[in-house]
Amino acid sequence: NAGVTQTPKFQVLKTGQSMTLQCAQDMNHNSMYWYRQDPGMGLRLIYYSASEGTTDKGEVPNGYNVSRLNKREFSLRLESAAPSQTSVYFCASGGQLRQPQHFGDGTRLSIL
Amino acid sequence: SQQGEEDPQALSIQEGENATMNCSYKTSINNLQWYRQNSGRGLVHLILIRSNEREKHSGRLRVTLDTSKKSSSLLITASRAADTASYFCATDAETSGSRLTFGEGTQLTVNP
Repeated sequence: NAGVTQTPKFQVLKTGQSMTLQCAQDMNHNSMYWYRQDPGMGLRLIYYSASEGTTDKGEVPNGYNVSRLNKREFSLRLESAAPSQTSVYFCASGGQLRQPQHFGDGTRLSIL
Repeated sequence: SQQGEEDPQALSIQEGENATMNCSYKTSINNLQWYRQNSGRGLVHLILIRSNEREKHSGRLRVTLDTSKKSSSLLITASRAADTASYFCATDAETSGSRLTFGEGTQLTVNP
């Protein structure tokens, strides 16, 4: 019962490097989400995808892009990483029809 | 901006005591959810209360919702050391679709 799987779990980047965070869910959910969690600030929504083929900006989208590759997979890309993007990134799925969201265990990203 | 604000930010109690956490929010909601996060892990859904409900129970958890005051509380009875975690409220606003807005969380420590 994998649920939501995120890769990698940890990553260190240098300023200006790019990388893609991967997320996959096996619960047949239509909606998927990317959040970032910073100390003392809770979770903030970066992007979400209400269904396959659609994506929308959340509260803090600047510096990020997303791709909803298929129903299972939703990736988050940092094109040119900045130290302000050091954070823990969580992917989630579900949430439609007033159902709860299901979270992965996060990617801890440090940008030097 | 954070829809939910939680109080207290941190709470330390002894095993067997009850723990109460509060959440306030700003806009009209469809429902309010509580999530738990163990250190280094993703969020796990605990309980959902709809806007037309005033109280809900699940095991040792009791949630209340006062829409006139735009506030909710989570009570954990007979706490255990294993309840040590961060607890977050999340609101599903009427205009947000399936998107949630999270509070900043309460860090609960239950001492054995």
